Amino acid sequence: KNQVEQSPQSLIILEGKNCTLQCNYTVSPFSNLRWYKQDTGRGPVSLTIMTFSENTKSNGRYTATLDADTKQSSLHITASQLSDSASYICVVSAENAGNMLTFGGGTRLMVKP
Amino acid sequence: DARVTQTPRHKVTEMGQEVTMRCQPILGHNTVFWYRQTMMQGLELLAYFRNRAPLDDSGMPKDRFSAEMPDATLATLKIQPSEPRDSAVYFCASGLVSFLQETQYFGPGTRLLVL
Repeated sequence: KNQVEQSPQSLIILEGKNCTLQCNYTVSPFSNLRWYKQDTGRGPVSLTIMTFSENTKSNGRYTATLDADTKQSSLHITASQLSDSASYICVVSAENAGNMLTFGGGTRLMVKP
Repeated sequence: DARVTQTPRHKVTEMGQEVTMRCQPILGHNTVFWYRQTMMQGLELLAYFRNRAPLDDSGMPKDRFSAEMPDATLATLKIQPSEPRDSAVYFCASGLVSFLQETQYFGPGTRLLVL
């Protein structure tokens, strides 16, 4: 069964600190992995999308890593800002006719001043 | 700045009533997705269209839900009859499929409450 597990479920950090969110998956065959940021009451916004051959991809202060061998991904946030407070969702796509998506439960991040 | 639009933004209805949610994908996008988000289940994919053809609707309860794309500028998700357990936020997303890549752009969602 395809599954995506994210950890931690929630996280509180101080402004300016770094943090790392984890995503483990069992989706097969793997097509790509995406990280989304979802502000409260808003739709998810894509941060990165990574394919099998990509190990690291950055988007500003967000850096995603992918280890396709261990089926793990991380999202590292550098020098956190109050606006980073949101839910971060990991989504893995399977390589099939429908590109089936499997969603993680998300990590709720709160950045405090 | 192109965006996915959804209407209505909020809907309160009584059990048994029909609910229709509409989505206008970004012009030029060839894929449309419908998602449902609840606190308990998180984000779930309901239906997926490519070039207006349904590719996957396995996540959608077939007995009461239906999704269509009457044209390239409109996608609809209909619930008939609605039930309290359908209360959720329904997101539409559109994207453009290219080799190995697809970025989805989400609409603001329709918050549905079925009493």
